[in-house]
Amino acid sequence: EAGVAQSPRYKIIEKRQSVAFWCNPISGHATLYWYQQILGQGPKLLIQFQNNGVVDDSQLPKDRFSAERLKGVDSTLKIQPAKLEDSAVYLCASSLGGTGGPQNTIYFGEGSWLTVV
Amino acid sequence: AQSVTQPDIHITVSEGASLELRCNYSYGATPYLFWYVQSPGQGLQLLLKYFSGDTLVQGIKGFEAEFKRSQSSFNLRKPSVHWSDAAEYFCAVGASGGSYIPTFGRGTSLIVHP
Repeated sequence: EAGVAQSPRYKIIEKRQSVAFWCNPISGHATLYWYQQILGQGPKLLIQFQNNGVVDDSQLPKDRFSAERLKGVDSTLKIQPAKLEDSAVYLCASSLGGTGGPQNTIYFGEGSWLTVV
Repeated sequence: AQSVTQPDIHITVSEGASLELRCNYSYGATPYLFWYVQSPGQGLQLLLKYFSGDTLVQGIKGFEAEFKRSQSSFNLRKPSVHWSDAAEYFCAVGASGGSYIPTFGRGTSLIVHP
């Protein structure tokens, strides 16, 4: 079974530029998550989708970050304009979702590494 | 809101020695608890999780963890460490009374000496 796919794996941009990350979840997984992991810290949830609807985006800096999940499958996370403090690994994850709640294991992709210079 | 403390930033053990990684959580009710492992350049992999029932949880790769409500702890253990266990380990807590989505601690880096 294919895992969570993310691209690009690595990206270096200058501050004030824009960047987009793509995620393809495990087939059949209704719930998709974007996490931000800053070096030396644990992952922090940015946004959670259930199918193509947003469940929780309370920690997403909406002045510069946006995310969408059109058609309830792939998702894109965009940062515009980027700041130095956005340097981090952006992890996409997915789970079956539905009524299973915490019984549904969350599977993580390998992450997209962003460096803002 | 729930939170997790992993008091050890780094742990160094010799190969074959036993391991215990500490995790303390803060949550008003019975939490959902998780341990994840992250190898360099990789995503996170779930080792084990606790929701209810038996407080000693068995996971993959020979790991186990014990939920102790009185100590608000969920420490991860392994009786004999292998060099391939060197990685970053994250404890996480989910709210049983709300969003069960894991909130992660800062992680503990495990170094294994031959």
